[in-house]
Amino acid sequence: GENVEQHPSTLSVQEGDSAVIKCTYSDSASNYFPWYKQELGKRPQLIIDIRSNVGEKKDQRIAVTLNKTAKHFSLHITETQPEDSAVYFCAASGGSNYKLTFGKGTLLTVNP
Amino acid sequence: GAGVSQTPSNKVTEKGKYVELRCDPISGHTALYWYRQSLGQGPEFLIYFQGTGAADDSGLPNDRFFAVRPEGSVSTLKIQRTERGDSAVYLCASSLSRGQAKNIQYFGAGTRLSVL
Repeated sequence: GENVEQHPSTLSVQEGDSAVIKCTYSDSASNYFPWYKQELGKRPQLIIDIRSNVGEKKDQRIAVTLNKTAKHFSLHITETQPEDSAVYFCAASGGSNYKLTFGKGTLLTVNP
Repeated sequence: GAGVSQTPSNKVTEKGKYVELRCDPISGHTALYWYRQSLGQGPEFLIYFQGTGAADDSGLPNDRFFAVRPEGSVSTLKIQRTERGDSAVYLCASSLSRGQAKNIQYFGAGTRLSVL
């Protein structure tokens, strides 16, 4: 089955700096890669996603890149703000049932 | 509109008891997923429903776990003879099944199950 590795497990940045979180996946059939933000005790919320026919996608301060050949994808957050502090999960899915395989998460702390 | 609703938000039970966790998906979403999230981990897939039928139950850890979705909307996850290791947050997600939106899963806030 699919295996998703996520790095780093923790990331601390100063407000205004950029943050990058990287994920690798194992199943070349995977074709959908979402990123979720989860605040403590809250539900995972989709913040951006990318499909395998696209190399990059941007939404305001958030961008995701995908390298299908290397089987890795990354989340980029620019001009970080304290409210960006949360756990971020990458995930991958593909095939007929769309179940998501998640990474172990990255705890992002943005220091004011 | 309303998002995915899960009840109860918290459930404390004793080892060996039976529990039911409920998920009410977004209206019109035919796909429904259950995941389990242990502390400090990402959600792990349990079971996927397409309409009323379980299309993939490969993530259920053993036969103490069972889920139903009799009318293709609300789903119930049932755990028999609970064990302390079952303690986790149980998340439900739903999605559309057609078009570009078919992959996009919206999560509920989860049920935090504690087995004493």
